[in-house]
Amino acid sequence: DSGVTQTPKHLITATGQRVTLRCSPRSGDLSVYWYQQSLDQGLQFLIQYYNGEERAKGNILERFSAQQFPDLHSELNLSSLELGDSALYFCASSVAGQTNYEQYFGPGTRLTVT
Amino acid sequence: EDQVTQSPEALRLQEGESSSLNCSYTVSGLRGLFWYRQDPGKGPEFLFTLYSAGEEKEKERLKATLTKKESFLHITAPKPEDSATYLCAVPDTQGGSEKLVFGKGTKLTVNP
Repeated sequence: DSGVTQTPKHLITATGQRVTLRCSPRSGDLSVYWYQQSLDQGLQFLIQYYNGEERAKGNILERFSAQQFPDLHSELNLSSLELGDSALYFCASSVAGQTNYEQYFGPGTRLTVT
Repeated sequence: EDQVTQSPEALRLQEGESSSLNCSYTVSGLRGLFWYRQDPGKGPEFLFTLYSAGEEKEKERLKATLTKKESFLHITAPKPEDSATYLCAVPDTQGGSEKLVFGKGTKLTVNP
């Protein structure tokens, strides 16, 4: 158990809908990272928040957005969902903002868009 | 060009048959290399961080080593429970954003 929690574990929704994925980092960690993992793309970085502020952005679609709240939990919002958005979504946390610190991953949310 | 390349893509071993997995990278000014283990449908589990060439770290049957261009994950006398996908990752800065870049992984199967 990494100490990172994610909810829900599974999500099934229809195209065009909007969903929210939630992540709570390990106690004491200030950074939260979001990743997408699909079979053909591997693990892809989406976005990072550090202590409430956006720190880095990867190839995140405009239909996706995220935020980190004062209690440091984070939410990833996915809207206008398409079939291709079906994937595992992971969040990870680390103590610092730099990427040369270990990141600890949550169990993931499996999103299925039908 | 992929910044992180792992080989082989898949590896089948018999229990007790030692081997090595490779992770090569092209980023300059390496600021760390990470190894993770991932079981199907689960989140990656952190194994090791290596920061400088010549560094080695061990955990049970796993030993990670680092050179200037690549890292190896040596598995000694593996057991079936070592079956998993092993991922390596390096920090890289692209477009002004620093991010962790992952390889596609090596899927290890250890048969009893």
